[in-house]
Amino acid sequence: EVQLVESGGGLVQPGGSLRLSCAASGFTFSSYWMYWVRQVPGKGPVWVSRISTDGYKAFYADFVKGRFTMSRDNAKNMLFLQVSSLRAEDTAVYYCIRDFGDRDDFWGQGTLVAVSS
Amino acid sequence: QSALTQPASVSGSPGQSITISCTGSSSDVGRYDFVSWFQQHPGKVPKLVIYDVSNRPSGISNRFSGSKSGNTASLTISGLQAEDEADYYCASYTTSSTYVFGTGTKVTVL
Repeated sequence: EVQLVESGGGLVQPGGSLRLSCAASGFTFSSYWMYWVRQVPGKGPVWVSRISTDGYKAFYADFVKGRFTMSRDNAKNMLFLQVSSLRAEDTAVYYCIRDFGDRDDFWGQGTLVAVSS
Repeated sequence: QSALTQPASVSGSPGQSITISCTGSSSDVGRYDFVSWFQQHPGKVPKLVIYDVSNRPSGISNRFSGSKSGNTASLTISGLQAEDEADYYCASYTTSSTYVFGTGTKVTVL
């Protein structure tokens, strides 16, 4: 059974940092591009970033460039998103996704990041 | 990257067909056949219903179909059912090697 389990979210002050993690299981993790999408409850989803199968290439939405860094550990089937210089508008549920928008698309249940003083 | 434009709401009676549009630009929808559609019920994770403009993932009803013309993609739901009432979002690959979502459409079954 395919599983993606996010963790690492929480309450953080403006300007702070968090490291989001996503534990993958039930499929060959190293064969898939992985993605992060965020969604403010009650609003539409917003695409955040993606990373290549080998972890050497990553692409980011303009609004997170320089603040967020995506990485992966294929040996441990783990995906990460380092989020820094957090702002109130970064408050959202962050979803880890396999093969976004394609045949094998699969979403985790998300982890909530709340930025507030 | 600006969000793709969708109508805020679309409604139809059971059994009818409805179509949701998704308008982008020559840098996204018009450039690639990498348009996908997601269905989201309240409190649930988005679910893929169409990928690569017109392909259905395994397990998705053939009442869902997709198409594209120029910079506009469309999702058609035929034989509308009560369970189709949800929010729908399109998404497209872009020339920046990123993706962009649409603004979202609330489908109401009358």
